Parts: sequence; C-alpha cells; structure tokens
Amino acid sequence: GAVVSQHPSWVICKSGTSVKIECRSLDFQATTMFWYRQFPKQSLMLMATSNEGSKATYEQGVEKDKFLINHASLTLSTLTVTSAHPEDSSFYICSAGNGVGGEKLFFGSGTQLSVL
Amino acid sequence: SQQGEEDPQALSIQEGENATMNCSYKTSINNLQWYRQNSGRGLVHLILIRSNEREKHSGRLRVTLDTSKKSSSLLITASRAADTASYFCATAGRETSGSRLTFGEGTQLTVNP
Repeated sequence: GAVVSQHPSWVICKSGTSVKIECRSLDFQATTMFWYRQFPKQSLMLMATSNEGSKATYEQGVEKDKFLINHASLTLSTLTVTSAHPEDSSFYICSAGNGVGGEKLFFGSGTQLSVL
Repeated sequence: SQQGEEDPQALSIQEGENATMNCSYKTSINNLQWYRQNSGRGLVHLILIRSNEREKHSGRLRVTLDTSKKSSSLLITASRAADTASYFCATAGRETSGSRLTFGEGTQLTVNP
C-alpha cells in the first residue's frame, strides 16, 4: 500500500521559534495533501489542503501566516508553525491520496509538538 | 464543519465479543470511510463504502450504510486486545473534491483480554 512518511515524530521548542514538519509520499505522487490538527481524545480538524505548485487552501479560522504550507513537489509538503506559542502545542497529522479516484487517504504517523 | 457524529464515544468489551460503532452525518456523500488510530499515531484506512452500497465486509469488519438515515455502522467481530484503538468515520461529500474528508468525533474502543 501507499506510504506517507512524516517527520519529526515529536518536537519540543521554545516559544517564539519556528518548527517545520515534513510530509512525504514515498511510493506515489500526491498532487494534494492535507494537514490536520488533533487535540487529545478529539477528532481531526482539517487545517488546510496543500496543492502541488499552487497556494494552499486554508480552512476558516486557520491563520495562513501562522501555519505556512509549501508543496513544492509531488512527493513533499511541509507545514511550518511560525513563532510558536504554547497554545500551538498539539498533534499534527498529514495525509495524501494516491490520486486513484481520490478516495481513501494515507496518513503520516503524526508529529507531537510541544511549545515551552 | 464537523458533521460526523459517532456513538458511543467510548466502548469497553471483553476479548471475543463483537463491537458495534455508529456514525451519523448530515450532507449527501460520495462515500463513507472508517479509519483506525492507535494512540499517538496516524490513521489507518479500514474500509470504504460507496453511497450506492448498503453493506461491505473485510475480514472481521462489517460496515453498513443507510443513506436514507444518513448513518453507518462498523461491526468488529470476535474482537481482540489488539483492536483497542480509536475508530473514526469520515465522509467524502458530493460538493467537495474526492479526497477531502470530514471526520467524526470517534469512538474509543477498549478490548480487555
């Protein structure tokens, strides 16, 4: 099956710093990737849709200047949390479809971000 | 917007028993999918059922879909301790692109050995 690799698995950073999370499709090309945020014992909240070669589409209420998304190639999308604050601490997950009917999604293993 | 609602929120059963989780949604869909998430991990796709299908099986999993009631159920038969995880339904709406999914609130399943 298709594999999506997400790095890092966890990161601890100081308040005010920026953190970059990578999401790679290892054995397929992903024209679209999705970024989610998940709080403990809650569902996934879609933050943005990342489109290769164009600007990301952000969900309502998500600050595009805070959460920078770059999808420069068909196998890599990055999410940068800029000037992180403790309230940005969360579990971030990416996913990608393999383009076949655009149906089921393949997920990365997630990144636990802790901002001190 | 979060349209999927699942019940129960938490379910605790003994190994060998069956587990049933339900999901309701609000808008018209192309398909409905079920995913599993182990604690602190990403989601794994379990099964997809299309809007013109009523029932689907995959191993110990059985999914039903009732589009008139806008609801779906996931049945796990002969549960095992390794089935302990959170289970989410997700819908692909007719109005959105095929890969954009809306996730339900999830059911935390605990299977006791």
